[in-house]
Amino acid sequence: QQQVRQSSQSLTVWEGETAILNCSYENSAFDYFPWYQQFPGEGPALLIAIRSVSDKKEDGRFTIFFNKREKNLSLHIKDSQPGDSATYFCAASAGTQVVGQLTFGRGTRLQVYA
Amino acid sequence: EAAVTQSPRSKVAVTGGKVTLSCHQTNNHDYMYWYRQDTGHGLRLIHYSYVADSTEKGDIPDGYKASRPSQENFSLILELASLSQTAVYFCASTSRISNERLFFGHGTKLSVL
Repeated sequence: QQQVRQSSQSLTVWEGETAILNCSYENSAFDYFPWYQQFPGEGPALLIAIRSVSDKKEDGRFTIFFNKREKNLSLHIKDSQPGDSATYFCAASAGTQVVGQLTFGRGTRLQVYA
Repeated sequence: EAAVTQSPRSKVAVTGGKVTLSCHQTNNHDYMYWYRQDTGHGLRLIHYSYVADSTEKGDIPDGYKASRPSQENFSLILELASLSQTAVYFCASTSRISNERLFFGHGTKLSVL
């Protein structure tokens, strides 16, 4: 049973559109939700993260919307660029867990066409 | 930017053989981790360490050992490699006082034949 679920394996958008990547989770104890971006042949890199006390986190073109009651969140990438083409992992951890002990979703591969 | 270096970048091993994957970080981070990534799946935590000479089991430790001889170095050891251990392995590190941001290496692609 997946504790962190990403609804789409892949997503395709055109340059300039807003890409929306969805994620849901099972464990009510999760309180930290990072999104990692991974390019082929590289390790994941932290893109943006949110804590469960907030319902929105914005960083430039990237925004996380968080719904604690529904146990879901989404990553919005505004004005998508071809350079945003990558795999995006939603992850989660609980305050009771060791720092860095993340549960990852399976990832959404985003393709942005020019 | 934090630097985490893994070696080798890729390896082919035979079933039943011993494999050692190495990780080195130069950022004085306290915590180090080994994650594995299978095609089409997310990352899963194998072992981690928060101090030299001590390692802890993660979510999927069976078939793996870890060693942290110094703060900078963290190894993952497969004593008897099996086909099911074919995957990409990522080492990561973070600071005790960071905002929980993990810094990953480029990964080691392991193929067990």
